[in-house]
Amino acid sequence: AQSVTQPDIHITVSEGASLELRCNYSYGATPYLFWYVQSPGQGLQLLLKYFSGDTLVQGIKGFEAEFKRSQSSFNLRKPSVHWSDAAEYFCACLSNTGNQFYFGTGTSLTVIP
Amino acid sequence: DAGVIQSPRHEVTEMGQEVTLRCKPISGHDYLFWYRQTMMRGLELLIYFNNNVPIDDSGMPEDRFSAKMPNASFSTLKIQPSEPRDSAVYFCASRGQGFSPLHFGNGTRLTVT
Repeated sequence: AQSVTQPDIHITVSEGASLELRCNYSYGATPYLFWYVQSPGQGLQLLLKYFSGDTLVQGIKGFEAEFKRSQSSFNLRKPSVHWSDAAEYFCACLSNTGNQFYFGTGTSLTVIP
Repeated sequence: DAGVIQSPRHEVTEMGQEVTLRCKPISGHDYLFWYRQTMMRGLELLIYFNNNVPIDDSGMPEDRFSAKMPNASFSTLKIQPSEPRDSAVYFCASRGQGFSPLHFGNGTRLTVT
């Protein structure tokens, strides 16, 4: 069965520091992968997606993610974090039927000045 | 594009009362999903529709929960009777055909006292 794991429940970084949020997926074929961000009181907003092709994908708000098949990973990165990036981040995988999404449990990001 | 619209944003009700949550998906989207989010259980899929037809309702917790999609632009999630353990944020999301991403509404925060 497909699944997505986010090993880090909570991460704290200083403003201006780099960020990497981990995501591992379990899926046999090439997965369809997504990163979402949820600010307090808001719904989930799509940051970026990976379907195929270039393994480094760019998203909104300066985020990028790299697909590594050998490690079954799709980690999210940002070179310099801003205080407004404090939020909950979810990794997700789309089923091979294209009907169901599998979400990780989320990583809560705190940004300290 | 107005995005996915949910109403109400907040709902406070007493145990035993009927609650109806509403959702207007993005025009042209063929899929509609209802999720529930709690601290304890994270993001749970309740039910999803394809072309207004319920496809998978295995996530609906009990018979007290029901969902309908009478047309392509409107869906409801009803809880009758409501219980305190139903307190959560309920999200509606929609997507188009193929392997397109989910677009979430801002959610309805339900509190049952």
